[in-house]
Parts: sequence; C-alpha cells; structure tokens
Amino acid sequence: KQEVTQIPAALSVPEGENLVLNCSFTDSAIYNLQWFRQDPGKGLTSLLLIQSSQREQTSGRLNASLDKSSGRSTLYIAASQPGDSATYLCAVGGADYKLSFGAGTTVTVRA
Amino acid sequence: EAGVAQSPRYKIIEKRQSVAFWCNPISGHATLYWYQQILGQGPKLLIQFQNNGVVDDSQLPKDRFSAERLKGVDSTLKIQPAKLEDSAVYLCASSKGLAGNTGELFFGEGSRLTVL
Repeated sequence: KQEVTQIPAALSVPEGENLVLNCSFTDSAIYNLQWFRQDPGKGLTSLLLIQSSQREQTSGRLNASLDKSSGRSTLYIAASQPGDSATYLCAVGGADYKLSFGAGTTVTVRA
Repeated sequence: EAGVAQSPRYKIIEKRQSVAFWCNPISGHATLYWYQQILGQGPKLLIQFQNNGVVDDSQLPKDRFSAERLKGVDSTLKIQPAKLEDSAVYLCASSKGLAGNTGELFFGEGSRLTVL
C-alpha cells in the first residue's frame, strides 16, 4: 500500500522567501504525481502534474521535481507572497490507478 | 470551461438522520470520484466511477454509504444513517481518464457535513 508523507505539517515564512515543500512516498512504481493547493473551506486546486517519465514541471513561480528512485517530490515556490498561504497536498498515482494523498503542509506567508 | 459542481456546500444534521450530496463533473470527464476529507487529513477515496460503472468502492462503508452515477454524468452520495464520525468535507472530483494513470484530477468546492 502506498504511503505518502509530507513534512513539515506546517511552515511559516516571511514574504519574499522561497518555499520548499517535501513529499515522500514508499512505492516507487508510480504513474504520476500531482500537487494541489487547498484554501480554507475550499476544494483542491491542481497546481502541477508530473508524469512518471518526467523529472520536473514548471508553472510561473512554481517548480516541482520528481525523483522516483528515492521516492521524493519537492515543490518550490519562488519569492513567496501572502496570497500563497494555503495547504499544499501531494497525491501519487499508482499502478492500481488510485491516487494516494499526503496530509498536506500548511503554509503561512507573513507580510 | 465550467468546473466540478457540488451541492449543498454545507449541511448540519443530527446523528441517525440521512443526507445526500450531488456532484456534476466537468463535461466529457469519464471518471468521477468521491473523497472524504476529515479535518487535518488528506482526502480518502470513497468510490470511483468510470462512466456509470464502479471501479473501486473498497473504502466505502456500504452499511451506511451509497453512491450512484446514473447515465454516466452526475452523481449522488448518500449517508443513512449518519454517525458523528461522518463529519467531514465530501469532495467530488473528475478526470478525463483514470487519474492514477495519466489523467489530471479536478475537484469541486466540497460539501461540508456536520453531524451533531
């Protein structure tokens, strides 16, 4: 069974600092990995989708890397802004076509 | 393009009562998912439909939860009777293909259930 871990559970940084969010998974036989953002009381918004054949994906200030062999993905957010405050979740798609979610990292960017 | 629609957004019921949630996926998306998200945790898959067939319902508490996707479009999730531990946000999501394979997953705003 795939286990997905996100550490730390919470993170607080001053505005302008770069954010580094970690996601680790136990089974390296994955099809894809997706990063989501969740604002309080809202659903999940897809940020980046990385296929298993890819090493990274970029969108604006966001960059996500994937290292299947070590079971890790990292989401980088450059020059953080207060509007980046949210919970970030990663989800791993496995050979059974199921998505396994981490519990998320709650980010607070202080103005 | 319209996103995943869910209703109601909020529901408060007494334990042992029943409740139903509705979801309309993105047009053309074959796969529909219902997730349960308890506060502080990641979403947990309850049931997955491919068109109007069930792909996975292994984590659906079938003694009290039921779901259907008639005509392969919108879907209803029902809880009867509700328990205190059912208090959670129920998220509906859809994808063109199987999300765990190559498909990207899109979520609705969720339905927040409080059981008193």
